[in-house]
Amino acid sequence: GEDVEQSLFLSVREGDSSVINCTYTDSSSTYLYWYKQEPGAGLQLLTYIFSNMDMKQDQRLTVLLNKKDKHLSLRIADTQTGDSAIYFCAESKGGSYIPTFGRGTSLIVHP
Amino acid sequence: DTAVSQTPKYLVTQMGNDKSIKCEQNLGHDTMYWYKQDSKKFLKIMFSYNNKELIINETVPNRFSPKSPDKAHLNLHINSLELGDSAVYFCASSQQVSSYEQYFGPGTRLTVT
Repeated sequence: GEDVEQSLFLSVREGDSSVINCTYTDSSSTYLYWYKQEPGAGLQLLTYIFSNMDMKQDQRLTVLLNKKDKHLSLRIADTQTGDSAIYFCAESKGGSYIPTFGRGTSLIVHP
Repeated sequence: DTAVSQTPKYLVTQMGNDKSIKCEQNLGHDTMYWYKQDSKKFLKIMFSYNNKELIINETVPNRFSPKSPDKAHLNLHINSLELGDSAVYFCASSQQVSSYEQYFGPGTRLTVT
């Protein structure tokens, strides 16, 4: 299987919360990331969490990490049409900061 | 101002040709990368340069040759293009090799016919 897995599509209504889930296989992962890719643009680091944390909140974004289950989620509160993009989950290990990416989740926000 | 730029944005070429993709960053970063995103959206590291020196070279065919004339530029030259080289190629940079945040260019979509 893949080292980092995430579902490929998520559709939500504007104003609702979005939750994008990700699982990874390497228990020695040190950093876990969420990158956002808008159409025609490169990936942009949205947020990250260290493996010794359970949760990180940044305005409308909440990242939850369950290290035991190797599960990472990104919650976007009050989702807007401008949040429509592809969201990539990624992990890297200490000593090598090259991330291993999932295949990305396409978030579609409709009115 | 664009932080990491790539040219061209689109590249369509025939099998057997040689082509180059250019990347420039104006962030003053020391480390630059090339990634390949295939048709299934897998994004994989190909190369990494730190201060013009190659530090990561994943199992990439030697038809791919990166060149870093200075630390702001990392170009990718591909010889004898094959159908399987069709992909989106992303350049990225980070402040230093131990930085966890990478800044990505907009990508170059290469189509080999």
